[in-house]
Amino acid sequence: AQKITQTQPGMFVQEKEAVTLDCTYDTSDPSYGLFWYKQPSSGEMIFLIYQGSYDQQNATEGRYSLNFQKARKSANLVISASQLGDSAMYFCAMREMNSNSGYALNFGKGTSLLVTP
Amino acid sequence: ETGVTQTPRHLVMGMTNKKSLKCEQHLGHNAMYWYKQSAKKPLELMFVYNFKEQTENNSVPSRFSPECPNSSHLFLHLHTLQPEDSALYLCASSQETGGVSYGYTFGSGTRLTVV
Repeated sequence: AQKITQTQPGMFVQEKEAVTLDCTYDTSDPSYGLFWYKQPSSGEMIFLIYQGSYDQQNATEGRYSLNFQKARKSANLVISASQLGDSAMYFCAMREMNSNSGYALNFGKGTSLLVTP
Repeated sequence: ETGVTQTPRHLVMGMTNKKSLKCEQHLGHNAMYWYKQSAKKPLELMFVYNFKEQTENNSVPSRFSPECPNSSHLFLHLHTLQPEDSALYLCASSQETGGVSYGYTFGSGTRLTVV
């Protein structure tokens, strides 16, 4: 079963506007971590932000913030003041601490973001 | 440079060839991973190594053979591949201390084309 769902295959946003990329997850493990990665056309996966399941506050890293709604099992990424260089694929991922998959991350299918001038 | 280096960046190989992908990390991490990224599909975990020991083989065909000689190096040996094995192969590393890892570090990947 799909553990991470990203329902937006593609998104457009105008430069300097904010954009929200959706992510929902499925787990019965009470201890887990949620990650967002950016993948430009070069292929490298760049770590953006992390949210732990027991964290009381939403994570923020510069222009990135994570809208964590635990009861709804959603972990949306908000990018404020979009820049042209933000155009890339964005992946949501989850790691379950008590999973028999060890340290592995489960990834969603990704959202392609295009920032327009 | 992220601290995880993958070579080569691009590889074209025939179905009867034998080749190897190399991954090297200089971050002092104790866990390393191979992921496969195909078009239109989520990243698929292939292998996990923790302290040089393979802890997971995610039902990967035997034509893919991993090797981890030390905690800084990881190889993926390829032989008699199929065209559907064409993909981006990503290596990652992380420091596992029993708590939650604050992000894995990925390499830039090897773009593999099987002809």
